[in-house]
Amino acid sequence: SQQGEEDPQALSIQEGENATMNCSYKTSINNLQWYRQNSGRGLVHLILIRSNEREKHSGRLRVTLDTSKKSSSLLITASRAADTASYFCATDALRGSYIPTFGRGTSLIVHP
Amino acid sequence: EPEVTQTPSHQVTQMGQEVILRCVPISNHLYFYWYRQILGQKVEFLVSFYNNEISEKSEIFDDQFSVERPDGSNFTLKIRSTKLEDSAMYFCASSYRAEGYEQYFGPGTRLTVT
Repeated sequence: SQQGEEDPQALSIQEGENATMNCSYKTSINNLQWYRQNSGRGLVHLILIRSNEREKHSGRLRVTLDTSKKSSSLLITASRAADTASYFCATDALRGSYIPTFGRGTSLIVHP
Repeated sequence: EPEVTQTPSHQVTQMGQEVILRCVPISNHLYFYWYRQILGQKVEFLVSFYNNEISEKSEIFDDQFSVERPDGSNFTLKIRSTKLEDSAMYFCASSYRAEGYEQYFGPGTRLTVT
């Protein structure tokens, strides 16, 4: 299956610390996206990184992509309690559908 | 900032009944999607819609499901005869392009089938 799988499944940190979540996938991709979902709410798009990109930043977020290892990481620096949410990576298959396939997510809890 | 809206936020229905979930995508977007998320599980793709027709659908999207864009703003998902296992959050999303563009998700409709 193409889906990304996030690791760890759950992460608990203190406010101010950095949080790193990883995503691994199985086949070559066009793009990889990270989304956030607050409990019981819709998904919010965070970052899209294309297969020819290695790193992208957006505010306190840093995403890396290693296509040779078929993996991506999402780093949230100086975390805040408001960052508490589930984080999902979504991949779309090269030479196939552009529909993103979601993993099971990492549940992040940031303690104030 | 433009956003995708969905109504109702929560729908309770009896098994066998028809339900229609409604979405208003972002106005200049061209691609529309429905996803579902069963409690505690992954977000699963159901269907994509472009140029007034289905462009892609998953194996979940069987004959019990249909989508429609009845006018220039609404995008609906109909479940003809609901089953208990249809209970889930249903998310609508839209995007300007299909490939390499972010999808904007609505807040979801929680469907409870009793």
